[in-house]
Amino acid sequence: DAGITQSPRHKVTETGTPVTLRCHQTENHRYMYWYRQDPGHGLRLIHYSYGVKDTDKGEVSDGYSVSRSKTEDFLLTLESATSSQTSVYFCAIGEGAAGEKLFFGSGTQLSVL
Amino acid sequence: GNSVTQMEGPVTLSEEAFLTINCTYTATGYPSLFWYVQYPGEGLQLLLKATKADDKGSNKGFEATYRKETTSFHLEKGSVQVSDSAVYFCALIDSSASKIIFGSGTRLSIRP
Repeated sequence: DAGITQSPRHKVTETGTPVTLRCHQTENHRYMYWYRQDPGHGLRLIHYSYGVKDTDKGEVSDGYSVSRSKTEDFLLTLESATSSQTSVYFCAIGEGAAGEKLFFGSGTQLSVL
Repeated sequence: GNSVTQMEGPVTLSEEAFLTINCTYTATGYPSLFWYVQYPGEGLQLLLKATKADDKGSNKGFEATYRKETTSFHLEKGSVQVSDSAVYFCALIDSSASKIIFGSGTRLSIRP
């Protein structure tokens, strides 16, 4: 195992509430990523990080924010959840000089009602 | 921008059939290319990769060759098994931005 844990594994919430998903790694890798997986869209990058306090937007970053105050933790926050954010969220850590080899967590199933 | 296009699924084959899943890409520069596999209920796993033109990545009987002239990275396997049933994702890394772009995935089902 690559030592990556996502929490929670499942969450149901209501529209308009804030939600935070956590990704924790024990590998001390520099690169961490948040993706969402939806039918017909595959995996789409939300945000990524290349070090503590260094983050950048992916292709579907609207409505999401991230924080990386420690190497091992990468938090994804939905400030005000919407039904369109119902999805499976995957965290990944990147190994290699450019973070090119990804190891994925088991995913978080988020339902926004 | 960079993008990856995969053949539409689902693909259904009989055991021991030959498999090809097409993947083409658009990118500036010289990206590295990957195939990831996702088994039911799990996250993605790296299956194979190629980092430069004409490289062939291989793993578990799967192969893919980096073809710069056709901007393709097709996945092949000579004889599939039921255990190969999964979703397969083609991907590239934009080396200038250190982020991986995935295709939409191709679901593969193998009949015994």
